[in-house]
Amino acid sequence: AQKITQTQPGMFVQEKEAVTLDCTYDTSDQSYGLFWYKQPSSGEMIFLIYQGSYDEQNATEGRYSLNFQKARKSANLVISASQLGDSAMYFCAMRERESGGYNKLIFGAGTRLAVHP
Amino acid sequence: DAMVIQNPRYQVTQFGKPVTLSCSQTLNHNVMYWYQQKSSQAPKLLFHYYDKDFNNEADTPDNFQSRRPNTSFCFLDIRSPGLGDAAMYLCATSISGTSYEQYFGPGTRLTVT
Repeated sequence: AQKITQTQPGMFVQEKEAVTLDCTYDTSDQSYGLFWYKQPSSGEMIFLIYQGSYDEQNATEGRYSLNFQKARKSANLVISASQLGDSAMYFCAMRERESGGYNKLIFGAGTRLAVHP
Repeated sequence: DAMVIQNPRYQVTQFGKPVTLSCSQTLNHNVMYWYQQKSSQAPKLLFHYYDKDFNNEADTPDNFQSRRPNTSFCFLDIRSPGLGDAAMYLCATSISGTSYEQYFGPGTRLTVT
């Protein structure tokens, strides 16, 4: 069965520093996708970044980059130059392969990031 | 701007009193999802619509139902809410056949008194 593991319940970082949020996954599929979402205290889930299993380059979106190590089955999120507004819950998720073409997401337990001034 | 809208943002209902949460989208996505997220937990998929086809997760309680009258709207009905149903309910959309993200609405926080 597919599984996402986020081992850091909480992380602290100083403003303007970089932080890495860990994510490991387990799947027997060759084709899969990995996502990171941010959830502020207001509740909405905000898409940050996506990595496909066949993508050779690590995904980047502005201050967000995904450190994809396929052999180790890890997909860590790196946030550079942290800002106070980055304080939120962060979820790693994997697209479970389903017939019919819809994307079922399996979420990890999440990491709560606190950015300190 | 194209988006996913959920109304209301906050809903209070009484134990056992039916409640309906609504979701609408202007993205013209053919897949719509409902998630339940309890405090400090990950979102849990309840069911989804692929076009008009309804797909229930195996462990979704019978108390939860859904309707999708057209592409744009999807409703979550809780027939007899219990205290354990208090949660954030998130609606999301996606396009079938793509590898990319689900677009989430802002959520409805349900309180059961």
